[in-house]
Amino acid sequence: GAVVSQHPSRVICKSGTSVKIECRSLDFQATTMFWYRQFPKQSLMLMATSNEGSKATYEQGVEKDKFLINHASLTLSTLTVTSAHPEDSSFYICSASIGSGGGLGWDTQYFGPGTRLTVL
Amino acid sequence: KQEVTQIPAALSVPEGENLVLNCSFTDSAIYNLQWFRQDPGKGLTSLLLIQSSQREQTSGRLNASLDKSSGRSTLYIAASQPGDSATYLCAPYTSGSRLTFGEGTQLTVNP
Repeated sequence: GAVVSQHPSRVICKSGTSVKIECRSLDFQATTMFWYRQFPKQSLMLMATSNEGSKATYEQGVEKDKFLINHASLTLSTLTVTSAHPEDSSFYICSASIGSGGGLGWDTQYFGPGTRLTVL
Repeated sequence: KQEVTQIPAALSVPEGENLVLNCSFTDSAIYNLQWFRQDPGKGLTSLLLIQSSQREQTSGRLNASLDKSSGRSTLYIAASQPGDSATYLCAPYTSGSRLTFGEGTQLTVNP
């Protein structure tokens, strides 16, 4: 149980185009979803947190107009990289949590397999 | 702001050795702590989740301990195998289910 999928797994696009990445919880309802970015040989950095039906909360330094997050249902969140540039090339990973916070065991985050974005 | 440090940054050992990976965190007000494994170019595989009320968790050859008050966690790998080669990440949970990741320990187990 607790499987999270991401689509696509890999995408190559031209500079200036927009790219949408989907994150789905397959066998549970995710109240909260998280988006992370990982540059080569670095750790995961949280970009934003989204709760179903409300606006995402972005981390300091993350441009909300560039990285659009939509959490329209309890099983789907999307990240759209708008007007992508080569510096946006990275590994994007989502995770999903059943809970909305509070520190109980059910707040565990379940991770997707990641999406490799390359912007030419 | 939570900061997580993992030591060593890299480790290369011969097969069969017992290993200790260290993780320290600055904010001891954590709920749970999770250890992950990441293979090159891949996503995360959860290894162990230790709840704040626990001191350790075991799964097969892996044992993780947690000392909240001192801000430390240790991952012990027994009888290491080449298949254990990967980057190991430590991540404590703080309020709002927020995870903060360390830089990881890159492990290479040589046959």
